[in-house]
Amino acid sequence: DAKTTQPTSMDCAEGRAANLPCNHSTISGNEYVYWYRQIHSQGPQYIIHGLKNNETNEMASLIITEDRKSSTLILPHATLRDTAVYYCIVRVDSNYQLIWGAGTKLIIKP
Amino acid sequence: DGGITQSPKYLFRKEGQNVTLSCEQNLNHDAMYWYRQDPGQGLRLIYYSQIVNDFQKGDIAEGYSVSREKKESFPLTVTSAQKNPTAFYLCASSILTPSNQPQHFGDGTRLSIL
Repeated sequence: DAKTTQPTSMDCAEGRAANLPCNHSTISGNEYVYWYRQIHSQGPQYIIHGLKNNETNEMASLIITEDRKSSTLILPHATLRDTAVYYCIVRVDSNYQLIWGAGTKLIIKP
Repeated sequence: DGGITQSPKYLFRKEGQNVTLSCEQNLNHDAMYWYRQDPGQGLRLIYYSQIVNDFQKGDIAEGYSVSREKKESFPLTVTSAQKNPTAFYLCASSILTPSNQPQHFGDGTRLSIL
């Protein structure tokens, strides 16, 4: 079973910040949180990952709560091309396996 | 450009037939993975390999086989024993050290039954 919980779908207006929440209340101390997105009929694209500190790269920011039980992916200025399914994943460290849930379908509206 | 190449993009299988999906990477990654994705669902791990000539079963290995004769190649065979093979198949690779590095994916092969 997936170790994360995400809303099924979200909308965001073009140009605004998209904030995607994820709950991972059973996360262990050494497990990282990864975010990927998948545009229809393509392979997943890696976005960002983190352990306990907030992270930022050219695509997004990742905010992890102090207790590590939840996180938020922030796309600062959403465009129509950001419409995709976004997956929040906690990795099982013993065998590098990623446990995937059904993700959040993010729709960016003009 | 470095990346992961999966072929073919679309594949059709007849009843009782084995088919092989190709996955090649030029990223010099040690680890490679095969996932299956059904409509509206997340990915499920079929097999993974961390080193040449060695591989481990994932959650849904039944009806599938793999080989890892070269570092850059990890082909997946869908055998006739897999009774519901219609799905989107994704190959990924990653470095092993440091262990937190992300997996990177190819663009997938869509397999259908004739």
